[in-house]
Parts: sequence; structure tokens; C-alpha cells
Amino acid sequence: GQQVMQIPQYQHVQEGEDFTTYCNSSTTLSNIQWYKQRPGGHPVFLIQLVKSGEVKKQKRLTFQFGEAKKNSSLHITATQTTDVGTYFCAGPGAAGNKLTFGGGTRVLVKP
Amino acid sequence: EAQVTQNPRYLITVTGKKLTVTCSQNMNHEYMSWYRQDPGLGLRQIYYSMNVEVTDKGDVPEGYKVSRKEKRNFPLILESPSPNQTSLYFCASSWGTTSPAFFGQGTRLTVV
Repeated sequence: GQQVMQIPQYQHVQEGEDFTTYCNSSTTLSNIQWYKQRPGGHPVFLIQLVKSGEVKKQKRLTFQFGEAKKNSSLHITATQTTDVGTYFCAGPGAAGNKLTFGGGTRVLVKP
Repeated sequence: EAQVTQNPRYLITVTGKKLTVTCSQNMNHEYMSWYRQDPGLGLRQIYYSMNVEVTDKGDVPEGYKVSRKEKRNFPLILESPSPNQTSLYFCASSWGTTSPAFFGQGTRLTVV
């Protein structure tokens, strides 16, 4: 079945630094979604990418969808303590009936 | 306010005692699903429903049942819970897999 992998699993970042987390799917995706889960909270939708090569920005967060629509990345600039949490990517299976999540990247920020 | 409501938020139970976790959404969404979250394993889909009376297995369905008699409700049933079902459970709803999913607050289940 479809597999969605995220790396790294953990990311320790100094406040103010940039970092990137990556998402790779075993199959081509019609779209990819990103979610953020704060410690003790539930996943909250951030953004959806649909087009090959698409790039979207939300303030300090930049999301990119790969040309082959099998991978995606999330880049955060000038990391802040409010960025702490786990970031998940998710994509639908080939039949479009199941949404598969990656294992997540847990972000820890050092002040 | 658009929301997905799960109950209970916390539950401690004993092995073999049937339990139900309720999930309700007020957005008229057609697609609903259940996930379990375990450390290092991310969110794994248990069951999903594409509409009333239409349910199907996700990636980890063993030991769980669901039903979708009404559009707004999608309960998760554990007929005979076992300790390996101790986990954090999330219900989610959306218009489909190509639209954003809204998650409930989560249910932390412990089976002893």
C-alpha cells in the first residue's frame, strides 16, 4: 500500500535559525496536505498543495510540492518558540479514499 | 462554530470490557475517519466512511468496529479491548481526501 515517509523524525532548532522537513510518498499524489499538532493538541490543517512544483507561503513557512508530485517540503525561517510541535504531511491513496499520514517531524526549539 | 466533538477525552478501562468512543461533526461533511496515534508511528487510519452506511477499513482495523447511521456521527467501537489498543485516538471529518480534515480533540485510551 501507499507509504508516506517524513524526515527527520526529530528536529532540534535554535531559535532564529531556519530548517526544512521533508515528506516522500511511495506513490504519486493528487494533492498533499500539511498539518501541525501542538504538544497535547490535535492536528490542525495548515495548507494543501495540488499542482506539480507548487510553492505556497504562510508568513515564515514555505511549502513546496515536488515536480513528480511524490514529495514535498516545509521550510521554516527564523524559527520561533511558537513553531514547536509536530508537523505532518498527508496524501490520498491512488483510489482517493484513504488519507495516509507521514510519521511526522517533531520540532523542538531552543531559546 | 465548526467542530468535531469526541467523547470521552480520557478513558481507562479493563481488558475485554466493550467500549464506544463517540464522534460528531456539525459541518455536514461526508467523509469521516478514525486514527490512532502512537509515539514514532504518526497517525494511522483505522476506519473511514465516505458517507452514511458506507464504511471501509483503513490501515489498522483489527479489533475495531465502526458504524455510520447518520451523517454527523461516526462512533468507534472496541468490542473486546486489549492493552495493545492503548493509544491516543482522533476522529476527523472532511469533504473528502482532497479537502482539509478537521480533527476532534482526541481520546486518550488506556486498557489495563
